[in-house]
Amino acid sequence: NAGVTQTPKFQVLKTGQSMTLQCAQDMNHEYMSWYRQDPGMGLRLIHYSVGAGITDQGEVPNGYNVSRSTTEDFPLRLLSAAPSQTSVYFCASWVGGSGNTIYFGEGSWLTVV
Amino acid sequence: AQKITQTQPGMFVQEKEAVTLDCTYDTSDPSYGLFWYKQPSSGEMIFLIYQGSYDQQNATEGRYSLNFQKARKSANLVISASQLGDSAMYFCAMRPLPGANSKLTFGKGITLSVRP
Repeated sequence: NAGVTQTPKFQVLKTGQSMTLQCAQDMNHEYMSWYRQDPGMGLRLIHYSVGAGITDQGEVPNGYNVSRSTTEDFPLRLLSAAPSQTSVYFCASWVGGSGNTIYFGEGSWLTVV
Repeated sequence: AQKITQTQPGMFVQEKEAVTLDCTYDTSDPSYGLFWYKQPSSGEMIFLIYQGSYDQQNATEGRYSLNFQKARKSANLVISASQLGDSAMYFCAMRPLPGANSKLTFGKGITLSVRP
């Protein structure tokens, strides 16, 4: 099925642990992004990619790392989890140009204790 | 830099009435797209409607319409004949078109509650 697949859906981490949120799309989209959603803050851009091998920082990149080795995959790595990274994370992808269809993953609920 | 502003506090509307959710934006890009998304309590992001900055007519999708006023930089969402299932968080978003730098920027959202 076409779409954006995010895993895991729920995760509890201890402070200092590392983990990777996976995001995959099978629509050959150029653009992929990671957002975090916190109460009252809307969705804030963490990192984004305009194609394989190209990534850039968004609004809140600290504590996160990304890579884009293939068009399909855009993993988000938490290097040393902190309680401030407790949030809901969304991956999104879309085709370039004037495309107006943006696909979101179902979200990943992360709690850092 | 792009900025989306959604300043309304929680909104309430009576079932079957219309409601307008406000969105203003700021951008230096000559061409851009504006989006509205719905996020119910289950958490998924549901696309509602899209307006291109050069579209001559306001976008409509069923009960949703977008009141686009380019000079005022506003892109308000109008929901007609509200239903209980419309109770959710609503986000306005925009991105420049086209171009390599195509970040999608969101507002902080508005909570809508529909009363029976």
